[in-house]
Amino acid sequence: EAQVTQNPRYLITVTGKKLTVTCSQNMNHEYMSWYRQDPGLGLRQIYYSMNVEVTDKGDVPEGYKVSRKEKRNFPLILESPSPNQTSLYFCASSLMGTQYFGPGTRLLVL
Amino acid sequence: AQSVAQPEDQVNVAEGNPLTVKCTYSVSGNPYLFWYVQYPNRGLQFLLKYITGDNLVKGSYGFEAEFNKSQTSFHLKKPSALVSDSALYFCAVRDIRFLGGGSQGNLIFGKGTKLSVKP
Repeated sequence: EAQVTQNPRYLITVTGKKLTVTCSQNMNHEYMSWYRQDPGLGLRQIYYSMNVEVTDKGDVPEGYKVSRKEKRNFPLILESPSPNQTSLYFCASSLMGTQYFGPGTRLLVL
Repeated sequence: AQSVAQPEDQVNVAEGNPLTVKCTYSVSGNPYLFWYVQYPNRGLQFLLKYITGDNLVKGSYGFEAEFNKSQTSFHLKKPSALVSDSALYFCAVRDIRFLGGGSQGNLIFGKGTKLSVKP
């Protein structure tokens, strides 16, 4: 089954404790992206990647890092999480402009 | 600047009645427009898209959308709503700041409209 997977689905952490949210797709898509969803703000793009070793900032990249060492994986790294990064995070991959989303990761930073 | 607006935070419809979820856009050039749906505790799912051609686009689950260039709108419609259609709906437009190659995947999303269909 073609899909985008994310782990973990739920995460509670404390300020400053580094964390990584994994994202993997099995559709051989070159393009992948990370979004955060907040009430009243819709989806905002954090980072995107056009291919292996090619990443770029989206609209809200501060406090996040990404890497793209393999085509299928695109992890999101929070080096020092803060409470304002409490949000619902979605990974997506894209083919011809149509995006396919993962199930989401709900993060709470205390 | 490019933007997408969904003027209604919530739309309430009775089951069996037609539904419309509104979307207007502002882009330079020809827009690529999308609708996505988000069911509770799920990721976004692609419903339909307009790139070129017929202004009426048909998508998944019986939904359709009409592209209106003069009104810069791309409203989502369904002739007969189901309770199971209750969800959050997002309109999106391709971000033309990034043209060509794999960057065609960048989208600008509206803030979403919550659709509630009552029995």
